Amino acid sequence: EPEVTQTPSHQVTQMGQEVILRCVPISNHLYFYWYRQILGQKVEFLVSFYNNEISEKSEIFDDQFSVERPDGSNFTLKIRSTKLEDSAMYFCASGDRDDEQFFGPGTRLTVL
Amino acid sequence: QKEVEQDPGPLSVPEGAIVSLNCTYSNSAFQYFMWYRQYSRKGPELLMYTYSSGNKEDGRFTAQVDKSSKYISLFIRDSQPSDSATYLCAMSLNQGGKLIFGQGTELSVKP
Repeated sequence: EPEVTQTPSHQVTQMGQEVILRCVPISNHLYFYWYRQILGQKVEFLVSFYNNEISEKSEIFDDQFSVERPDGSNFTLKIRSTKLEDSAMYFCASGDRDDEQFFGPGTRLTVL
Repeated sequence: QKEVEQDPGPLSVPEGAIVSLNCTYSNSAFQYFMWYRQYSRKGPELLMYTYSSGNKEDGRFTAQVDKSSKYISLFIRDSQPSDSATYLCAMSLNQGGKLIFGQGTELSVKP
């Protein structure tokens, strides 16, 4: 069964450093998303991406964040200058026309 | 008022029990409703997906949406210890739109 994959599973970085989180969505999906979940809190929407552009973004997704689909398979989230409060699980999701969204296993980001 | 509310539990039931999980929401414009299961430190796994009002059944799982009451439910029949997880409700306004999640209900099914 096709699934969303994410790398790395755990990323540790120093405050102020740039990180890139990588995702390989399900191959025939058209909609791509990033969510995050701070420990003990709700899953929160960050950004959605369709037809090679951002379709919606949340207040969390400020100028420090960017997304890219550099080729036909990968979808990346970049955080330019990480803050302590960026520590969270980051989930990539992809969806098809039926609007179901399928999540990857997540990348645990720890900012020291 | 929170956009999506869900009792965080924890909820503990004996094996074989019927489990009822619920969410309420404030925005009547939500049209798409989902239930996800999340094991500790893993990604949410889609269980059920419903468009608009009505019921949907899949094996031991039944999802109900009552848009007039802004209330959705997930029922699990013949619960198993392997059902022990956190159950998240989620909803969206439009096709391909962002999901708004509830807090999640932690369920424990005891053998």
